[in-house]
Amino acid sequence: GQNIDQPTEMTATEGAIVQINCTYQTSGFNGLFWYQQHAGEAPTFLSYNVLDGLEEKGRFSSFLSRSKGYSYLLLKELQMKDSASYLCAVREYTGGGNKLTFGTGTQLKVEL
Amino acid sequence: EAQVTQNPRYLITVTGKKLTVTCSQNMNHEYMSWYRQDPGLGLRQIYYSMNVEVTDKGDVPEGYKVSRKEKRNFPLILESPSPNQTSLYFCASSLARPSGNYGYTFGSGTRLTVV
Repeated sequence: GQNIDQPTEMTATEGAIVQINCTYQTSGFNGLFWYQQHAGEAPTFLSYNVLDGLEEKGRFSSFLSRSKGYSYLLLKELQMKDSASYLCAVREYTGGGNKLTFGTGTQLKVEL
Repeated sequence: EAQVTQNPRYLITVTGKKLTVTCSQNMNHEYMSWYRQDPGLGLRQIYYSMNVEVTDKGDVPEGYKVSRKEKRNFPLILESPSPNQTSLYFCASSLARPSGNYGYTFGSGTRLTVV
């Protein structure tokens, strides 16, 4: 099984940088994903990490430390449209296949 | 356009009246899954399917059924809906390779209300 923890909500200012943390416990780690979800809409893929280190993609970066069971999503130059829920999801290999388990999400509010 | 199509988007029904939510993908994905999303609980997996005729329970399968007769379709069946199944439902699909940078593609969601 898995246990994924991320803060429930965060507030940041337009133009600033925000870091959303995610910690997890799993026995068959096989990748970590970040998704963005606007209210009432489907989650959309942001980033993927399977090896330790930083993956950068425009204004978004994601970091992974497998030994610590820790990841973060870094959002730079925040815009109002970044107000959304950010979901950390861990893929675990279970022998019968892969299973993707989601955290409860971090609701980010970007203010002027 | 590569997509996962769910229908209906919104549904209000009464307790006990059987319903089916359809899900179809056009990406030839082997893996398909159903999630429900409730406030404070995040996305919880109901059922998943690794390929045609192969289905398995997720974390919250009670009260639901699925079938996978064709690769593209993965309907979710509620034989006797109850108010605690009021939720936002998402279908998702992906490749079924052991590893790699392939995330899930989600449908637009079905908001179900059972009264």
